[in-house]
Amino acid sequence: DVVMTQSPLSLPVTLGQPASISCRSSQSLLSSDGNTYLNWFLQRPGQSPRRLIYKVSNRGSGVPDRFSGSGSGTDFTLKISRVEAEDVGVYFCMQGTHWPYTFGQGTKLEIK
Amino acid sequence: EVQLVESGGGLVQPGGSLTLSCAASGLSFSSYWMHWVRQVPGKGLVWLSRIIGDGSNIVYADSVKGRFTISRDNTKNTVYLQMNTLRAEDTAVYYCAGHRGGWSEDYWGQGTLVTVSS
Repeated sequence: DVVMTQSPLSLPVTLGQPASISCRSSQSLLSSDGNTYLNWFLQRPGQSPRRLIYKVSNRGSGVPDRFSGSGSGTDFTLKISRVEAEDVGVYFCMQGTHWPYTFGQGTKLEIK
Repeated sequence: EVQLVESGGGLVQPGGSLTLSCAASGLSFSSYWMHWVRQVPGKGLVWLSRIIGDGSNIVYADSVKGRFTISRDNTKNTVYLQMNTLRAEDTAVYYCAGHRGGWSEDYWGQGTLVTVSS
């Protein structure tokens, strides 16, 4: 299985400050169809996961533009330009290129 | 409004069986690949199984292969997960999810708790 490794696992951030989460995969996520199926999810306490970014850098409908994704191959990053209170929760990267799909361990973002 | 509503969770004894259902509304169900994902409370997410829109291709994670069966009924807009020979380590919140368009669209249910205990 493809191992997804996130860092950091805990991310205390001051409101209004930027934040960045790294995600590395044990294999390239470039699919034979030319797409890279690397998604980012946010799971708020007591809620289901909500997809923020799909295919590395595409923001989902309704996702604020302070969220951005980048990367290629095996190295990916989620950035939040200015953290707001509603951004608190656990962020997961997920690869959908190789079966079984796999998630990172999660990064818990909290407000300092 | 799109909704995925799971049902069928509960308490079951080790070795027992349970069938989860996920009823979808507000979307073109047959165009979505459907998935079951589970999460031990406070822990990470684990993909279990996926079925494509017409049901012709199914895959399972090794941890559930041979014990769990995914199926769908596009006339009822419902996906199922039949779980047999349940173990204590199957205790988790089970989510159904659907996606299409390379994950440009995806929806998740609220989850249903399965507890395997004597």
